[in-house]
Amino acid sequence: GQQVQQSPASLVLQEGENAELQCNFSSTATRLQWFYQRPGGSLVSLLSNPSGTKHTGRLTSTTVTKERRGSLHISSSQITDSGTYLCAMEAYGNEKITFGAGTKLTIKP
Amino acid sequence: GALVYQYPRRTICKSGTSMRMECQAVGFQATSVAWYRQSPQKTFELIALSTVNSAIKYEQNFTQEKFPISHPNLSFSSMTVLNAYLEDRGLYLCGAWTGGAEQFFGPGTRLTVL
Repeated sequence: GQQVQQSPASLVLQEGENAELQCNFSSTATRLQWFYQRPGGSLVSLLSNPSGTKHTGRLTSTTVTKERRGSLHISSSQITDSGTYLCAMEAYGNEKITFGAGTKLTIKP
Repeated sequence: GALVYQYPRRTICKSGTSMRMECQAVGFQATSVAWYRQSPQKTFELIALSTVNSAIKYEQNFTQEKFPISHPNLSFSSMTVLNAYLEDRGLYLCGAWTGGAEQFFGPGTRLTVL
């Protein structure tokens, strides 16, 4: 079945540093979504990107569909960016979304 | 805008009892609804996909007998966890969308089984 691999599993950075989160997927994706999962569990949709690059604020999502990979770049990280980031893939011809295991990001002062 | 509500947000049930959770789409037509579960220390896994006027498709390891789903119209879906046990605890997420558009997710229902 479809698989989504996220790396690294955890990342610790100093405040102000940039974070780079990776996502690799096993099937051709029609859409790659990035979510922030709040401590209570609910998901905050960050970016949805079928291909190419998309920006919002300090976040940049890049999806290279042919290479089956995507990334989320967080610039000038802040302590409040700490948490779990999930990558989710929607495969071509299939409405099912497959989630990765997440990257736990910790930003230290 | 498009919003998805889930109710209840948190619930506790005794082992062996059942729990019904609801999903409401506002601002768009939820022609398709997906239910996911995130068990402790795991990522989300798909339970089933429901499209209005079509049969509900359950993923391996999930059955209609255990997780019956109702999707009666373009704004509402419910799922029941029948005969809940410890392994059923976790966060249940509802995703809804129209056609090939992006899925919108609710905040989830957190189920604790005692």
